[in-house]
Amino acid sequence: EVQLVESGGGLMQPGGSLRLSCVVSGFTVSANHMTWVRQAPGKGLEWVSVFFATGYTYYAESVKGRFTISKDNSNNTIYLRMENLRAEDTAIYYCARYGSKWYDAYDVWGQGTLVTVSS
Amino acid sequence: QSVLTQPPSVSAAPGQKVTISCSGGMSNIGNHYVSWYQHLPGAPPKLLVYENNKRPSGIPDRFSGSKSDTSATLAITGLQTGDEADYYCATWDNTLSIGAFGGGTKVTVL
Repeated sequence: EVQLVESGGGLMQPGGSLRLSCVVSGFTVSANHMTWVRQAPGKGLEWVSVFFATGYTYYAESVKGRFTISKDNSNNTIYLRMENLRAEDTAIYYCARYGSKWYDAYDVWGQGTLVTVSS
Repeated sequence: QSVLTQPPSVSAAPGQKVTISCSGGMSNIGNHYVSWYQHLPGAPPKLLVYENNKRPSGIPDRFSGSKSDTSATLAITGLQTGDEADYYCATWDNTLSIGAFGGGTKVTVL
């Protein structure tokens, strides 16, 4: 069964750091493109980052220099390291598979993990 | 501010049809496929349409997508109360090298 399970969210203070995990089952992260997408309270979906199977990574301007996406092929897991957190990073963070089965489409999603940044 | 523009809301009576537009440019919709998602509160987004006009298994044919030049459209026919949700278009942007989601459109069944 194809499944993505996120974890690692929580309440953080501004300026703090956090690492989100997304454990994948049913396919291998090494052969697929994986992304993080977030939704802030009352807002729409916002694309955050992608880790292409080729190894290339890209980031939204709002998180560039603060967030780092990575993969652990042995554990079939993707991560999002978040540093220098800001109140506007408060959101539900979803991991999703991108463009592997169908071009430019996010076909499998996790349930999401909530990150709250507040003092 | 997204590179893809959607109307904030659309509405119609049960059984009627709604269309949701998604406007972009040559660096995104003009050169990439468009996908559409339904997002209900408390659940992850659900893929409704991929590669402009194709539906994954299990998605009813009441949902259909189309694309022309730098715009795309999602149509929902035979509107049902269960279709009340937020809908998003998405694609890739070559110039910015980022994924892009539209701002989202809330569908209300009157």
